[in-house]
Parts: sequence; structure tokens; C-alpha cells
Amino acid sequence: DAKTTQPPSMDCAEGRAANLPCNHSTISGNEYVYWYRQIHSQGPQYIIHGLKNNETNEMASLIITEDRKSSTLILPHATLRDTAVYYCIVRVWSDMRFGAGTRLTVKP
Amino acid sequence: DGGITQSPKYLFRKEGQNVTLSCEQNLNHDAMYWYRQDPGQGLRLIYYSQIVNDFQKGDIAEGYSVSREKKESFPLTVTSAQKNPTAFYLCASLTGTDPYEQYFGPGTRLTVT
Repeated sequence: DAKTTQPPSMDCAEGRAANLPCNHSTISGNEYVYWYRQIHSQGPQYIIHGLKNNETNEMASLIITEDRKSSTLILPHATLRDTAVYYCIVRVWSDMRFGAGTRLTVKP
Repeated sequence: DGGITQSPKYLFRKEGQNVTLSCEQNLNHDAMYWYRQDPGQGLRLIYYSQIVNDFQKGDIAEGYSVSREKKESFPLTVTSAQKNPTAFYLCASLTGTDPYEQYFGPGTRLTVT
């Protein structure tokens, strides 16, 4: 079973920051936090990952709490094209299990 | 072009028949995966393989079987024992270096009647 808990849905206004939370309270020291998103019925797309430190790339920022029990994915300026299902995953070695994800709807 | 191919895109079968879904990758990735997705739901792991001739069950392996005879190929057989086989099936592979990113195929939509 997935080791993460996410809200089933969230809304965000276009141009505003979208903050998507994830709880992974049973995470182990060697497990990474990954975020993917799925648009329509395409395969999920990698966004970002981290172990302990906060991370940023051209798509998003990942904030991981000091105790590593939760994280937040930040889309700094959400656009309509960011409407998708966002999955938070805890990875250990090759084991990649997705949960139900958060359906983010960006509204004009 | 490097990537993952799944065929066919749509597949129709009668109840009681086994059916095999194809997944091929030319990315030279060691690890490959099969996921199932039902309407409005997330992805559920069926099987994954870290290396040729080795595979592990995921959360919903019952009624499915896989083989990994070649690095490039990871076919999934949906057997007649699978009670509700109608679903969208996604195959993926994993890069062997950081960021250990998964790449997904376009999926096969299986309908069993």
C-alpha cells in the first residue's frame, strides 16, 4: 500500500501559487520523496524529488519538513495547464507505489 | 527516438480468455513496472522487475503474470483469474541514475466483456 496521504482535491487561482501537501509519517531514512503529475489519461510525468533538503527546479519547489514526515509541492505561478492529478510517492530503491493523488484544478 | 512502447492502445477480449499486453523500452533501463488505473483512481502497482529474470509482486498481483526474459521487454498477462480486468494499464521503466525518474508508456486500455 502507498505510504503517503494527500487531500483528494484542491483548487487554485490562475497565477497564484499552488501548495500541495503530502503526509509521509512512516518514511524511513533512506526513502526519497518524489512528486509526479498526470494529465488526463497520459502516463505520469516526473516533477521533482528530495531526501532531506528543500529542492527547486524549473517546474516546482519541494519543501520537506525537518522531521521528514511531510512535504509540500509548490507550483509558484499556476497556469490552466497545471490542472492535473499530483502524486506524492516515497521511493526506496526500485519500489515505486502511487497513492490516489490530489486532483488540482487551476481556475481562471 | 528513445522511449517506451505499449501495444495495442485498445484491446477487447471476451471473459475467460487470457490476454498479454506488450511493453518494450529502448532506454536501457534495468527496472520496469506495470500499473493498473481504474476510472478516477490512482495508479496501483501490479508487478515490477529490477533486472532480467527477476520480478516482484506489487499490491494487486493476483490474476496477473509477468516475465522478463530480455532487458527491453516486460509483457503482462491478464489471466482469466483476474475478476475485474477492464482497466487502463501503464508500463514504466526507471532510470538507473539520479534522479531515478520513471518514464511511462502511452498505456493500453483493456475492455473485457
